[in-house]
Amino acid sequence: AQKITQTQPGMFVQEKEAVTLDCTYDTSDQSYGLFWYKQPSSGEMIFLIYQGSYDEQNATEGRYSLNFQKARKSANLVISASQLGDSAMYFCAMRGLDSNYQLIWGAGTKLIIKP
Amino acid sequence: KAGVTQTPRYLIKTRGQQVTLSCSPISGHRSVSWYQQTPGQGLQFLFEYFSETQRNKGNFPGRFSGRQFSNSRSEMNVSTLELGDSALYLCASSSRDSNTDTQYFGPGTRLTVL
Repeated sequence: AQKITQTQPGMFVQEKEAVTLDCTYDTSDQSYGLFWYKQPSSGEMIFLIYQGSYDEQNATEGRYSLNFQKARKSANLVISASQLGDSAMYFCAMRGLDSNYQLIWGAGTKLIIKP
Repeated sequence: KAGVTQTPRYLIKTRGQQVTLSCSPISGHRSVSWYQQTPGQGLQFLFEYFSETQRNKGNFPGRFSGRQFSNSRSEMNVSTLELGDSALYLCASSSRDSNTDTQYFGPGTRLTVL
């Protein structure tokens, strides 16, 4: 069975500091994809970054990067130079590429950026 | 390109009623997935439609059903509503043309069952 674990229910970070959100996963699939989404209080789920299990380099998208450690089964999201607008829920999700198409989600981390 | 749209955004129903939610995917996307989000259960997969066919289904009772039209728009129906159906219902679209494609979400429909 596939499982995503996010161990930080909430985090407070000072504006302009970097922040790391933890995500560990468990899967028996050989090929899989890992996704991070941001959900502001408005409810919309915003795609941030994707990492494939066979990608040799860590994914980056602007201020977002993914610290992918396959042997440890971790896919931590790093946000550099945090901004007030980064305050939101952050979800890690996985999709097994050998299995069905659904995303398996973690419980999320609520990130609050302090001015 | 316009994003995923969902209507209505908010809905209040009473127990026993039924409800239909609508989702219009990004132009060119043929896959639509539905998810339920509640504080207690988190995000759970309901079903996925691709080219008018249900491809995958989550572990929800038969009261939850869906369909997809030839223009890829999808509807989700919940019959005989229960208090526990109160949730944010999110729809996601993707091209499904590779195993690595991304699902893009709409703003959600917030359903309250009284």
